Amino acid sequence: GENVEQHPSTLSVQEGDSAVIKCTYSDSASNYFPWYKQELGKRPQLIIDIRSNVGEKKDQRIAVTLNKTAKHFSLHITETQPEDSAVYFCAASLEAAGNKLTFGGGTRVLVKP
Amino acid sequence: SAVISQKPSRDICQRGTSLTIQCQVDSQVTMMFWYRQQPGQSLTLIATANQGSEATYESGFVIDKFPISRPNLTFSTLTVSNMSPEDSSIYLCSGGLAGGRETQYFGPGTRLLVL
Repeated sequence: GENVEQHPSTLSVQEGDSAVIKCTYSDSASNYFPWYKQELGKRPQLIIDIRSNVGEKKDQRIAVTLNKTAKHFSLHITETQPEDSAVYFCAASLEAAGNKLTFGGGTRVLVKP
Repeated sequence: SAVISQKPSRDICQRGTSLTIQCQVDSQVTMMFWYRQQPGQSLTLIATANQGSEATYESGFVIDKFPISRPNLTFSTLTVSNMSPEDSSIYLCSGGLAGGRETQYFGPGTRLLVL
């Protein structure tokens, strides 16, 4: 089955700096890659997603890039703000496998004011 | 996006007992899933809830321990049976909308503590 590795496990950045989280996946057939943000005690919230026919997607301060050949994808947060502090999870899924999500281990991001 | 609710939001249970968690979606979804999130950990898929048929379980999870029902497109239940302290976790359901079915939205979770 699919395996998703996520790095780093923790990330501390100064407010205003950029944060980058990287994930690799094992199943080359996976075709959908969402990113979730989870604040303490809250549900995971979808913040951005990308499909395998697209190399990059941007939404305001958040962007995701996908390299299908290398089987890795990354989340980029620019101009970080204290409210970006949370745990971020990447995931991968395959339509043929019923769209079930396989999650990375998570990255705890701390934005220092 | 879909609005997904769960109940109970939290519970404290004695070992050996069972708890049924309910998940309700405000619009029709093609896929519904149940995940477990142990403290400080990532999300692990327990099973896919199939409408009108038996759920599809992931490796390490069995129907006797986690029976699941999905009588219609908007409702599902997960039972945690014969609980032990190792079952203490957050249990989350998720649903994918019929139109954009890859996209999944999560319920608020049920925080379970087994004593």
